[in-house]
Amino acid sequence: QKEVEQNSGPLSVPEGAIASLNCTYSDRVSQSFFWYRQYSGKSPELIMSIYSNGDKEDGRFTAQLNKASQYVSLLIRDSQPSDSATYLCAVTNDMRFGAGTRLTVKP
Amino acid sequence: EAGVAQSPRYKIIEKRQSVAFWCNPISGHATLYWYQQILGQGPKLLIQFQNNGVVDDSQLPKDRFSAERLKGVDSTLKIQPAKLEDSAVYLCASSLDLVYEQYFGPGTRLTVT
Repeated sequence: QKEVEQNSGPLSVPEGAIASLNCTYSDRVSQSFFWYRQYSGKSPELIMSIYSNGDKEDGRFTAQLNKASQYVSLLIRDSQPSDSATYLCAVTNDMRFGAGTRLTVKP
Repeated sequence: EAGVAQSPRYKIIEKRQSVAFWCNPISGHATLYWYQQILGQGPKLLIQFQNNGVVDDSQLPKDRFSAERLKGVDSTLKIQPAKLEDSAVYLCASSLDLVYEQYFGPGTRLTVT
């Protein structure tokens, strides 16, 4: 059975620190990988997409993909209290989501 | 550019009643998804449309859930009859095409009593 696994957390980091979120997946043929942020009571919003092995940077966010290890991660640099949310990892081809990691950034 | 629209935003029904949700995707997006999100869990894909054809409905409880996407644009999701365990947020999302990033609507929070 295809699975997407995330540490449920909660993950707590101080303001200004680096937050590291991890995701593993079981379907080796997956091609596309996405990170979404979901605030409490809101719908998921796209942060990053990554399709190739390596790193992809967008502002304070860096996504890392290692298809050989079936692993994708999200780094948030200079974490802010406004980053406090649940972060969801999603994997195609069948758009399975992990359960999410709850991040709290403490001022 | 307008986002994904959903209605209603909230719905409270009694068990065994029926309910329908509506979704209008981003203009030009060929792929439309319906998800069920139970509190504390990630979204679970119920059905995926490519234009007006079904790509994946393997996790749709077909004895009570149905969905259609007429003319390849708007979509409706129906539950009949509802059960207590159907209480969840129902999310609609759209993407330009398969494997592209999805954009979510605000969701419909369903409470079954």
